[in-house]
Amino acid sequence: GQQVMQIPQYQHVQEGEDFTTYCNSSTTLSNIQWYKQRPGGHPVFLIQLVKSGEVKKQKRLTFQFGEAKKNSSLHITATQTTDVGTYFCAGQGGTSYGKLTFGQGTILTVHP
Amino acid sequence: EAQVTQNPRYLITVTGKKLTVTCSQNMNHEYMSWYRQDPGLGLRQIYYSMNVEVTDKGDVPEGYKVSRKEKRNFPLILESPSPNQTSLYFCASSFGAEETQYFGPGTRLLVL
Repeated sequence: GQQVMQIPQYQHVQEGEDFTTYCNSSTTLSNIQWYKQRPGGHPVFLIQLVKSGEVKKQKRLTFQFGEAKKNSSLHITATQTTDVGTYFCAGQGGTSYGKLTFGQGTILTVHP
Repeated sequence: EAQVTQNPRYLITVTGKKLTVTCSQNMNHEYMSWYRQDPGLGLRQIYYSMNVEVTDKGDVPEGYKVSRKEKRNFPLILESPSPNQTSLYFCASSFGAEETQYFGPGTRLLVL
């Protein structure tokens, strides 16, 4: 079945440093979504990418969808303590429409 | 207020004692889904429902049942819980399978 691998599992940065998390799918995706989960909270939608090679920005966050629609990345410029949390990618594709496969998540810690 | 609600939020039970976790949404969403979250494994989809009376298995359906008799409700049933079902459970809903998912607050389950 479809697998979505996400790396790294953990990332510790100093406030002001950049951060990137990567997702790779075993199959071509129809779309990929990114979510953020604050400690003790529930996942909250950040963005969805649909087109091959798509790049979207939200303030300090940049999201990319690979040309082959099998990989994606989230880059945060100049991290802040409010960026702390777990970032998940979630992909849809393959033969099971409606099935959503999440990556394992990257836990981001930002040291002030 | 648009929201997804889950009950109970916390539950301690014993092996074999049937339990139901309720999920309700007030956004008239067609798509609903259940996930479990375990450390290092991210979010894994248990079951999803494209609409009333339409349900399908996710990646980890064993030991779980669901029903979708009404659009707003999507209960998760554990007929005979076992300790390996100790986890954090999230319900989510969206307008469609490829749309933004809105997550409930989570239900933390401990099976002794």
